[in-house]
Amino acid sequence: DTAVSQTPKYLVTQMGNDKSIKCEQNLGHDTMYWYKQDSKKFLKIMFSYNNKELIINETVPNRFSPKSPDKAHLNLHINSLELGDSAVYFCASSQGSQVNTEAFFGQGTRLTVV
Amino acid sequence: GQQVMQIPQYQHVQEGEDFTTYCNSSTTLSNIQWYKQRPGGHPVFLIQLVKSGEVKKQKRLTFQFGEAKKNSSLHITATQTTDVGTYFCASGYSTLTFGKGTMLLVSP
Repeated sequence: DTAVSQTPKYLVTQMGNDKSIKCEQNLGHDTMYWYKQDSKKFLKIMFSYNNKELIINETVPNRFSPKSPDKAHLNLHINSLELGDSAVYFCASSQGSQVNTEAFFGQGTRLTVV
Repeated sequence: GQQVMQIPQYQHVQEGEDFTTYCNSSTTLSNIQWYKQRPGGHPVFLIQLVKSGEVKKQKRLTFQFGEAKKNSSLHITATQTTDVGTYFCASGYSTLTFGKGTMLLVSP
């Protein structure tokens, strides 16, 4: 039973399209995150949600909008996709803040914008 | 978040050789976490160090946190091909900042 699951695993789309990535965790954690990993494997946090409320929004274009319908889900919607959005996006979760405790990552979604 | 620099960026060893990756900061770190990411995989938590001078071991892996809490290291004794992957350190007070990682290749 996968702890943090993301769908889809691969996503190829054209510039200008809108797409969503879904994430669900069954660990009962209260905090969820979205990370972006670029081609150089640099892992950077995008959003952090605690109990369905946004607590951290790093410098991310407002084309990216996270949505948390409940504690177990954190979806990422991206409008007007650009070539530079191509990357692997990881969802993660932790109980409490990730700075103090282990975070569990999903398998990642490889987004390719053409 | 706190900035952490990792070296080396890349290392290729023969199976059985030792490997060390270093994580450095110009400021005092609250704590340090280490993650491993296999090729094509996702980051997996290895350990967290909190105390100054702390040393923890996990089988062939030894993790150290510097006395000044400004650096940390991960040492692997007698590498195996299963150790292949990218090792990240991460730290922060409110948000977790990841280092750029050290990619380890192990040749049989």
